[in-house]
Amino acid sequence: EVQLVESGGGLVQPGGSLTLSCAASGFTFRSFGMTWVRQAPGKGLEWVSTITGTGIYTYYTDSVKGRFTVSRDNSKNTLSLQMNSLRAEDTAVYYCAKDSDYNSCSDYWGQGTLVTVSS
Amino acid sequence: DIQIMQSPSSLSASVGDRVTITCRASLSISSFLNWYQQRPGKAPKLLIYAASILQSGVSSRFSGSGSGTEFTLTISDLQPEDFATYYCQQSHSTPRTFGLGTKVEI
Repeated sequence: EVQLVESGGGLVQPGGSLTLSCAASGFTFRSFGMTWVRQAPGKGLEWVSTITGTGIYTYYTDSVKGRFTVSRDNSKNTLSLQMNSLRAEDTAVYYCAKDSDYNSCSDYWGQGTLVTVSS
Repeated sequence: DIQIMQSPSSLSASVGDRVTITCRASLSISSFLNWYQQRPGKAPKLLIYAASILQSGVSSRFSGSGSGTEFTLTISDLQPEDFATYYCQQSHSTPRTFGLGTKVEI
């Protein structure tokens, strides 16, 4: 059974940093791309970042480029999102999701972790 | 960036109804269109990928169609558990944009 468990969310001041983690199990982690999607309170879904299975290629939405860094440790089946220079508009529930090997959809999702950026 | 326009933003329906949700892409995305269901307080769930392929375990009451720039999600015989918010997403290129969502209400 595929399981994705996010951790690391919390309250952080504007300009601060936070690192989210996603522990994966139930599939061959290194074989699949992984994605972060966020959802601001009461709002829709926003794609944030994707990393390929090898970790060689990474992709970001414009609003986080230069501030967020996605990475993975295939030896520990762990996905990470390092978030720097956080802004109030980064406040959201952050979901990690496993990419399908077909059509680049996200076929399994974690339960999410809440990041609140506020003074 | 590819823009996705989803409509309607909300709809009211009754148990047993058939409802249709539409997504339009700002340029052709072939069949790189996916549909997700999100119940309140829960993570999204993949329903349909590649425009029309039903994800394993998803009820056959859900169906998708379309290609190029226009896509539809149809829910037949609406059940109480189907009242949720539905999102389309293009996965043709990054950023993998989502539609703004359609809330299906009783």
